[in-house]
Amino acid sequence: DIVMTQSPDSLAVSLGDRATINCKSSQSVLYSSSNKNYLAWYQQKPGQPPKVLIYWASTRESGVPDRFSGSGSGTDFTLTITSLQAEDVALYYCQQYYSPANTFGQGTRLEIK
Amino acid sequence: EVQLVQSGAEVKKPGESLKISCKGSGYSFTNYWIGWVRQMPGKGLEWMGVIYPGTSDTRYSPSFKGQVTISADKSISTAYLQWSSLKASDTAMYFCARHSGSCSSGVSCWFDPWGQGTLVTVSS
Repeated sequence: DIVMTQSPDSLAVSLGDRATINCKSSQSVLYSSSNKNYLAWYQQKPGQPPKVLIYWASTRESGVPDRFSGSGSGTDFTLTITSLQAEDVALYYCQQYYSPANTFGQGTRLEIK
Repeated sequence: EVQLVQSGAEVKKPGESLKISCKGSGYSFTNYWIGWVRQMPGKGLEWMGVIYPGTSDTRYSPSFKGQVTISADKSISTAYLQWSSLKASDTAMYFCARHSGSCSSGVSCWFDPWGQGTLVTVSS
């Protein structure tokens, strides 16, 4: 299995400030023939199913605010939320879909400071 | 509108069997992989496996292979997750989710949309 490790486990950020969540995979999720990273980010609010924010490591899903962005390649990835809003309080997960058995990171809890 | 609607909450005893369902609508059910994701109380997401209803091709996480069975009935656009003998450790929320319509990479894809979740409680 590809192990996905997120950091930090929890994060408190002031409203309007930047939040940065990291995700590291135990092996590369970059598919060389397509030059695409098979990495997605999800947001999960209490009592709700997850919602995709980013796929192909940096492509924002339609309707997702542009304060959310994804970056990185190979084994190291970052989800950045610029100008944190109250509604961004949630759990965030990365997922690799490179290997036949996909895996998620353990999650990062984002709170308001 | 693409929708996945899951069956209701279940309370079972250890050793009992269970089959929960996920009905798709608003799209061609046979043409998209559907998967199951476990979320134990207060814990993160775990990818369990996926099925392609058109062919019943199924892939499992090594962690769940042999522990659960994923199936689908394309005549009623419904996917299933079943256990033959539940354990207390199977207590969790189970989500079904479909591979995104934006994906053209076959079995390799992210999930969108998701069902609302089915809470399974196993307790004596």
